[in-house]
Amino acid sequence: EAGVAQSPRYKIIEKRQSVAFWCNPISGHATLYWYQQILGQGPKLLIQFQNNGVVDDSQLPKDRFSAERLKGVDSTLKIQPAKLEDSAVYLCASNNRGTGNTIYFGEGSWLTVV
Amino acid sequence: SQKIEQNSEALNIQEGKTATLTCNYTNYSPAYLQWYRQDPGRGPVFLLLIRENEKEKRKERLKVTFDTTLKQSLFHITASQPADSATYLCALANTGNQFYFGTGTSLTVIP
Repeated sequence: EAGVAQSPRYKIIEKRQSVAFWCNPISGHATLYWYQQILGQGPKLLIQFQNNGVVDDSQLPKDRFSAERLKGVDSTLKIQPAKLEDSAVYLCASNNRGTGNTIYFGEGSWLTVV
Repeated sequence: SQKIEQNSEALNIQEGKTATLTCNYTNYSPAYLQWYRQDPGRGPVFLLLIRENEKEKRKERLKVTFDTTLKQSLFHITASQPADSATYLCALANTGNQFYFGTGTSLTVIP
């Protein structure tokens, strides 16, 4: 079974530029998460989708971050404009109640804002 | 909002000893608690889950305890090996499958 796929793996941009990350969850997983992990810290939930609807986006900085999950499969997380403090790993994860309560993570997209 | 804290200092132990990691939380009543392992440059990987009505869970050399009165979980690795060196994360989850992670504890097992 293929895991959670993310791209790009690494990205370096200048502040005030924009960036987009893509995630393809495990096939059949209805729930998709985006987490932000700053170096030395635990993952912080940014947004949770159930199919193509948003369940929780309370910690998403909506003035600069946006996410969508069209058709309830792939998802894109966008940052515009980026700030230096956005430098982090952006982890996508997916889950399906039918497979229990485990969430499966991708390898992450590493963002450096200079 | 919920606060989840793990051992603030990195943990170094001798091979063969038992490693004990702590996860404390406040302002939350999770339906269950999970432990994940994260290697450098990789995403977290699920290890164990324990529900609010369970006191202890075991899986091979791993043991998790959950005290909802103390709001604390302990994660034990017995007969530790250098390959166990990694960062370990605890995560709290509610019935809506929203997962909130702790700060993580870095474990190094010294040969």
